[in-house]
Amino acid sequence: EDKVVQSPLSLVVHEGDTVTLNCSYEVTNFRSLLWYKQEKKAPTFLFMLTSSGIEKKSGRLSSILDKKELFSILNITATQTGDSAIYLCAVYNNNDMRFGAGTRLTVKP
Amino acid sequence: KAGVTQTPRYLIKTRGQQVTLSCSPISGHRSVSWYQQTPGQGLQFLFEYFSETQRNKGNFPGRFSGRQFSNSRSEMNVSTLELGDSALYLCASSPSPFAGAPYEQYFGPGTRLTVT
Repeated sequence: EDKVVQSPLSLVVHEGDTVTLNCSYEVTNFRSLLWYKQEKKAPTFLFMLTSSGIEKKSGRLSSILDKKELFSILNITATQTGDSAIYLCAVYNNNDMRFGAGTRLTVKP
Repeated sequence: KAGVTQTPRYLIKTRGQQVTLSCSPISGHRSVSWYQQTPGQGLQFLFEYFSETQRNKGNFPGRFSGRQFSNSRSEMNVSTLELGDSALYLCASSPSPFAGAPYEQYFGPGTRLTVT
């Protein structure tokens, strides 16, 4: 059965720290992996990854995909309290969009 | 560009009733997907519509159905509501269909359904 597993489930850091969130997957007919940030509202799109080894970057956030080892990481450098949220990883395979349970990140001042 | 809009934002229904939720995608987006989000199960895919056709369906019972109109607006219907249907229902739109292309989607604010 297809699955997407995120780790850790929760993380507490202090402002300025760097964090790495993990997403591993087992999905047939993989097409792309997506990262979302969810605060107290709907998820907002961060990145879409389709190719291995190509880093996507947006400000302090970056992400990379390894299609051989079937995982992706999301890095956040110099964390701020506004980064506190649930980070969701999703994998789509032409027929389904499967989400992981999310990583709850808390950034303390 | 206006984002994805969903109505109503909050809804309270009783068991056995039926409910219809509405989603208006971003202008120009032809794909609309529906998701159910609960604390226990997380985000789960319900179905995707593209050009008025249901292209993909998740693992939900037949009580969950949907449709899409020619202007890409979509509705989702749940019949014979159960307590377990209480959830945040999210709609997401994309310029591309699920199949055959890289797929990014943008979520609406959701409709929070409470079944009593």
